[in-house]
Amino acid sequence: GESVGLHLPTLSVQEGDNSIINCAYSNSASDYFIWYKQESGKGPQFIIDIRSNMDKRQGQRVTVLLNKTVKHLSLQIAATQPGDSAVYFCAENSMNTGFQKLVFGTGTRLLVSP
Amino acid sequence: GAVVSQHPSRVICKSGTSVKIECRSLDFQATTMFWYRQFPKQSLMLMATSNEGSKATYEQGVEKDKFLINHASLTLSTLTVTSAHPEDSSFYICSAREFRAYSNQPQHFGDGTRLSIL
Repeated sequence: GESVGLHLPTLSVQEGDNSIINCAYSNSASDYFIWYKQESGKGPQFIIDIRSNMDKRQGQRVTVLLNKTVKHLSLQIAATQPGDSAVYFCAENSMNTGFQKLVFGTGTRLLVSP
Repeated sequence: GAVVSQHPSRVICKSGTSVKIECRSLDFQATTMFWYRQFPKQSLMLMATSNEGSKATYEQGVEKDKFLINHASLTLSTLTVTSAHPEDSSFYICSAREFRAYSNQPQHFGDGTRLSIL
């Protein structure tokens, strides 16, 4: 069935390093992708999104790359800070659901050491 | 912008109690709201999609009589867990999405409600 999954369940980095979190999806009809950050005991926080007509989008310290050929999505965080420690989820939706429902990946925990 | 408020943040109650959780979009109108359930160290599981003024659409396996959803206005949706039992204990999270024609918008999430049934 449809799924959005992550390669790395936990990523440990040093403060100041760049972090890359990866996500694979299986639905070729996926048209819209979002990265969320979830801190302990809180709801997911929107980070950045990208539509399928783009392959790269940049925000403040974050970049999302989309490779539709291999159905792969990544989130790059520049100069990672301790405050970036959280669980990161990729999510997608598609024309199949009328762009209503999000399908979430399993999540990657990012641990940033000072 | 795009703030979603969810109340209460934590509920502890006895088995058999019904619990109502509110989800409000504070600075935008949400034609669609979503209710999720999240178990520890797991991803979010969509329970139902709530459209303003119409009945909610429940995901397979979610009991609509157990989890009552009302979306009476463009800024408020409620989830009522009826006759809650210990197995209903979980982290419930709502999200809201603003409708814009010809443009997909992200869902914005509340901070969740930790429900503990004794």
